[in-house]
Amino acid sequence: KAGVTQTPRYLIKTRGQQVTLSCSPISGHRSVSWYQQTPGQGLQFLFEYFSETQRNKGNFPGRFSGRQFSNSRSEMNVSTLELGDSALYLCASSLALGGGHNTQYFGPGTRLTVL
Amino acid sequence: AQSVTQLDSHVSVSEGTPVLLRCNYSSSYSPSLFWYVQHPNKGLQLLLKYTSAATLVKGINGFEAEFKKSETSFHLTKPSAHMSDAAEYFCVVSDVGAAGNKLTFGGGTRVLVKP
Repeated sequence: KAGVTQTPRYLIKTRGQQVTLSCSPISGHRSVSWYQQTPGQGLQFLFEYFSETQRNKGNFPGRFSGRQFSNSRSEMNVSTLELGDSALYLCASSLALGGGHNTQYFGPGTRLTVL
Repeated sequence: AQSVTQLDSHVSVSEGTPVLLRCNYSSSYSPSLFWYVQHPNKGLQLLLKYTSAATLVKGINGFEAEFKKSETSFHLTKPSAHMSDAAEYFCVVSDVGAAGNKLTFGGGTRVLVKP
């Protein structure tokens, strides 16, 4: 089975712009979660989608949003980019919701640089 | 609220010697615990997970971890380090019974393997 794929792998944007990142989960997985990784804050949970609905949300401003399509693919959008949004954005998929028994499998990430 | 503390931010070992990465957790529920590894410029790879079965968990690449409820610890070990083990390791907790798959990450331990 193919793993989690994320596109693009690298992005450079300027402050004030917006960006959309894409994630394709492992075939058959219905839950997609997004994480932000920075040297200062480490790995932080952004949100989780299941069956096209946001089920769980981390502590990020409303500039960060996402959606999930009927084929379970997910996109994450960041509007009005700030320098502090520079990070590695990781997507993870799992079979279902239900707590920790469902292992999350991570993609390679999208490296976003905001200038 | 759940939390994870990785007691060492950096660990340096010689090739062929044992590796010990320490992790303490706090969780309101019966936790699921994971160790993930991240090689440079890569996503996260699951090493092993604990989900209330055996307290000694064996993972990939010769790693294992022991769940000790009385000490709220989940330390990761490997008997003999290999050069390819140089990477960053994350201890992760997930609440079982929560509505979603939110993972809480430790700050990471960067492992250096000396020849």
